[in-house]
Amino acid sequence: DIQMTQSPSTLSASIGDRVTITCRASQSIRRWLAWYQQKAGKVPKLLIYKASSLESGVPSRFSGSGSGTEFTLTISSLQPDDFATYYCQQYISGLTFGGGTKVEIK
Amino acid sequence: EVQLGESGGGLVQPGGSLRLSCAASGFTFSSYAMIWVRQAPGNGLEWVSAISGDASSTYYADSVKGRFTISRDNSKNTLYLQMNSLRAEDTAVYFCAKGLEQADSNYVQKNWGQGTLVTVSS
Repeated sequence: DIQMTQSPSTLSASIGDRVTITCRASQSIRRWLAWYQQKAGKVPKLLIYKASSLESGVPSRFSGSGSGTEFTLTISSLQPDDFATYYCQQYISGLTFGGGTKVEIK
Repeated sequence: EVQLGESGGGLVQPGGSLRLSCAASGFTFSSYAMIWVRQAPGNGLEWVSAISGDASSTYYADSVKGRFTISRDNSKNTLYLQMNSLRAEDTAVYFCAKGLEQADSNYVQKNWGQGTLVTVSS
């Protein structure tokens, strides 16, 4: 089974900061990776699929990159609406989520 | 507008069974893969199962394989999850989700229901 490891598990940042979250796969998943955002008490929201394809309606400050086993989600300028937990997910073999990264207010 | 509504959750004893349903509307149901994802209280997301649009392919997480069965009735626009031999660790909110339109990413979860809580306890 493919394991997905996110780092950090918690991140403290300020409005306007550039934020980067890393997701590592236990084996190559090529570019079959998605990113989701989940706010407290809400359902997850798809941000990015195929490692770097921005889902319709998602602000352009979100971007994804990577291939193989290492991926990043970047928020270019953190906004108040971005404080949430972010999950990566591989979908080359079944589906596996990472453990999540909580982005908190510094 | 895509709408997904889960039902069937509740309190069940260990070893018991439940069947979850997910009623879908606002899209051509039979054209999309559907996915179940769960989230234990205070924990992260865990994929449970997925099914292709025509129901010809089904997939399960190892943690539920042999105990859970995913199915769909395209004539009723409804997705199901039959859960047997339930364990305490199956306690979670269960979400159904609609897959993306893109053929190479069709199991990526684009639209989500609000979830239904399953509690396994004696």
